[in-house]
Parts: sequence; C-alpha cells; structure tokens
Amino acid sequence: QSALTQPPSASGSPGQSVTISCTGTSSDIGAYNYVSWYQQHPGKAPKLIIYEVTKRPSGVPDRFFGFKSGNTASLTVSGLQAEDEADYYCNSYAGSNYYVFGTGTKVTVL
Amino acid sequence: EVQLVESGGGLIQPGGSLRLSCAASGLTVSDNYMNWVRQAPGKGLEWVSGIYRGGSVHYADSVKGRSTISRDNSKNTLDLLLHNLRAEDAAVYFCARKDYSEAFDIWGQGTRVTVSS
Repeated sequence: QSALTQPPSASGSPGQSVTISCTGTSSDIGAYNYVSWYQQHPGKAPKLIIYEVTKRPSGVPDRFFGFKSGNTASLTVSGLQAEDEADYYCNSYAGSNYYVFGTGTKVTVL
Repeated sequence: EVQLVESGGGLIQPGGSLRLSCAASGLTVSDNYMNWVRQAPGKGLEWVSGIYRGGSVHYADSVKGRSTISRDNSKNTLDLLLHNLRAEDAAVYFCARKDYSEAFDIWGQGTRVTVSS
C-alpha cells in the first residue's frame, strides 16, 4: 500500500494553468477508473473536486480537469485564481476495498 | 444539510488506547460506506479504515490488528477504536463518506490525536 507519487509543489501566475501528476501502479490507477482529487486549504477538511478520473461534482468550476493515461493520473487547473492556492491530493481505489492517497502537491499562485 | 462531526481526540500516551467518534446528521451511517482518513502533522492523507453498508470492515496495514471500526445505528455514529498507540498514529483523524463512485465526497472537520508521554 505505497502512496501514489505527486510532485511536492507546483506554481503558476494568475490566469495561467498548472498540471499535477499522480503516479501509481497497474494495481491501482492503471487498474481502475476510480481516481479522485481533493483540494485542501490549511486547517480545513479536504474537498472532493474530481471523481472517476474526469468528473466534477456539482459546484466545482470547469477550470478543474482530470485525466489519466496508464498508471498516471493528472489534474489541470486552468485560469489560476488566488483561491486555488492549496494542497491537492489524488486518490485511487486499489482493489480489495483498499484506497491509496497521493503524497500531495502544494500549489502556489504567484 | 449533511454534517459529520468527529470527537474523541486528545493527548494519549504511547501504548494507550482511544476511541474516536463521528456523529452524522443529514445522512444515515448504516446506509453508507463510512471511513476514517488521517493526516499526520505536515503530511499527506492516509486512508485508515472503512465499514460497508453490509457491515464488512477493512483496515490499512498500518492499523490492522490494533484497530476496530464500528457503528452505532441507534446514535447514527461511526467509531474507531485504536489500541497500542504509537508516535506515528499522531494525526488529525477525519470521518468521510465514500460514495458509489469510490470517492470521499463528505468529510468532517477532523479530531486531533497527539501521542506523547
């Protein structure tokens, strides 16, 4: 049950785009289309922003876009805004009722 | 409004035990797949345990054998009992509902557990 690998940090200027990768294995990301992404502001609970690789819950702006290729999932945030500055975590179903989170990426809006 | 409220955290000595509780409103715990997710200070999220609607339970290797997840249907609460606490168990523990799409869509605000002598 190793954590999925994310870059520790990413940054972009307001209005720009940033893409965060999430690398797993053929037993988790590569095996299932159950990748989700969470946004967490300091001291707050995580918030679901992407589920089933590409889908957005109601109320999440379409500036957030998720996709997957092989064992790697990615999240793109376009049109960066100040409120997008947060930690982002990916998650994948890993079979046998186990779930694995990514190591987390801190996004800074310059 | 759906709400999850955790309680039971605090300062626990190494080797000790604790019971965390999550009170739900706006949803029925027994009708959902409920989970505990923790976050050590300055670290990432870690799935800890889950209980299915049918009652089957599942644990991460890091707590397997020294933890028990359960629910009290009369109180509509989710509990986590953790024994033989170690320094690495220190974290904020979140209660979260997993929906049918295998995503954690509803979260509580968390309860902090500190392990220290």
